[in-house]
Amino acid sequence: DQQVKQNSPSLSVQEGRISILNCDYTNSMFDYFLWYKKYPAEGPTFLISISSIKDKNEDGRFTVFLNKSAKHLSLHIVPSQPGDSAVYFCAANYGGSQGNLIFGKGTKLSVKP
Amino acid sequence: NAGVMQNPRHLVRRRGQEARLRCSPMKGHSHVYWYRQLPEEGLKFMVYLQKENIIDESGMPKERFSAEFPKEGPSILRIQQVVRGDSAAYFCASSPYRDHYGYTFGSGTRLTVV
Repeated sequence: DQQVKQNSPSLSVQEGRISILNCDYTNSMFDYFLWYKKYPAEGPTFLISISSIKDKNEDGRFTVFLNKSAKHLSLHIVPSQPGDSAVYFCAANYGGSQGNLIFGKGTKLSVKP
Repeated sequence: NAGVMQNPRHLVRRRGQEARLRCSPMKGHSHVYWYRQLPEEGLKFMVYLQKENIIDESGMPKERFSAEFPKEGPSILRIQQVVRGDSAAYFCASSPYRDHYGYTFGSGTRLTVV
């Protein structure tokens, strides 16, 4: 039973345009959400996070939006660059879980020049 | 200032052999997490350790798998009597304190069981 779902295995976007990666979750206890980026043969790299008390967090070209009522979050990358091509993982956690993260299966983003 | 170091990067074992995966956390980090990524899957939590203590091993298979993080030296994930289904990428992450969610991951060890 997947608690964190990334329903799009892949996404292709033109350079300079917006990339929107989506993530849904089922566990209403989750109170912290993160996005990681992963290149082939490397470990995941932390990108951006959001607490459930917020609905938006921004860091440069990256913005994460959280809709708690819909149990949905999204990562926006504007403008997209070819170096953003990677697999993006959504992850979630809740207080009392010892800091263990529940990951989605990932979305492979391809940004075309 | 080295990141999280994992070795070996690639490990091939025959069925029934033992696999030992090592993880040296970032300097100053005393919390270590192990995750496993099966093909076409996300990362799955296995175990969370602090120095000399296992804090949470709820994600570890009940048999053949064990982990330690001694006072001195790296954290070790040990898989005894490996089977083909153990083939995966194993990632270690470290953090400076509990509940610090922006973990730093290592580059992983890719285990292949033949």
